Amino acid sequence: ILNVEQSPQSLHVQEGDSTNFTCSFPSSNFYALHWYRWETAKSPEALFVMTLNGDEKKKGRISATLNTKEGYSYLYIKGSQPEDSATYLCANPGGYQKVTFGTGTKLQVIP
Amino acid sequence: NAGVTQTPKFQVLKTGQSMTLQCAQDMNHEYMSWYRQDPGMGLRLIHYSVGAGITDQGEVPNGYNVSRSTTEDFPLRLLSAAPSQTSVYFCASSYGGSSSTDTQYFGPGTRLTVL
Repeated sequence: ILNVEQSPQSLHVQEGDSTNFTCSFPSSNFYALHWYRWETAKSPEALFVMTLNGDEKKKGRISATLNTKEGYSYLYIKGSQPEDSATYLCANPGGYQKVTFGTGTKLQVIP
Repeated sequence: NAGVTQTPKFQVLKTGQSMTLQCAQDMNHEYMSWYRQDPGMGLRLIHYSVGAGITDQGEVPNGYNVSRSTTEDFPLRLLSAAPSQTSVYFCASSYGGSSSTDTQYFGPGTRLTVL
């Protein structure tokens, strides 16, 4: 993996369903992995910063895990609600403080 | 605190015109950056600064200039606008010089159209 890749590109789930998506990043020279939530017509807002292999972070119904050895992070949403509809971005701050963002996973929760 | 502010919110330029997008933050953050957001491309880093007087190029710097004379302000200049610069521009800042663990705070964005 040379860049930050996210999958799937978009996702539609029913209200109440749980879902997850993936962020893949270069496993060499790992510094940190950031997750952001970006609602339509707003600005990205930080969800998590993850630094250690095996890290697990949680905020309400949203949680994330990190595997630095294989270069991936999962974001989970339990019991999706319409207000969870947003684009979820991950970002890899590489060396020399240049931050690379993935293209995002756009989640639509259908009531 | 106002956080990160950007002006203008919308701008239409003609090809060849120049303009400056303004960005300011009142959180005493050292790190500031400019991104452009294009459909299917995500956020791409244009330029960044780790403190007053220090700037560096990001992934897509061509056609843009920056300077950082104060901690608070980080303007982005388009020297001769081209249609390829039609995009939404976001300014962001974070606390320290090390961006690895510092989350970024984003401004509301500037939507620029170049005709």
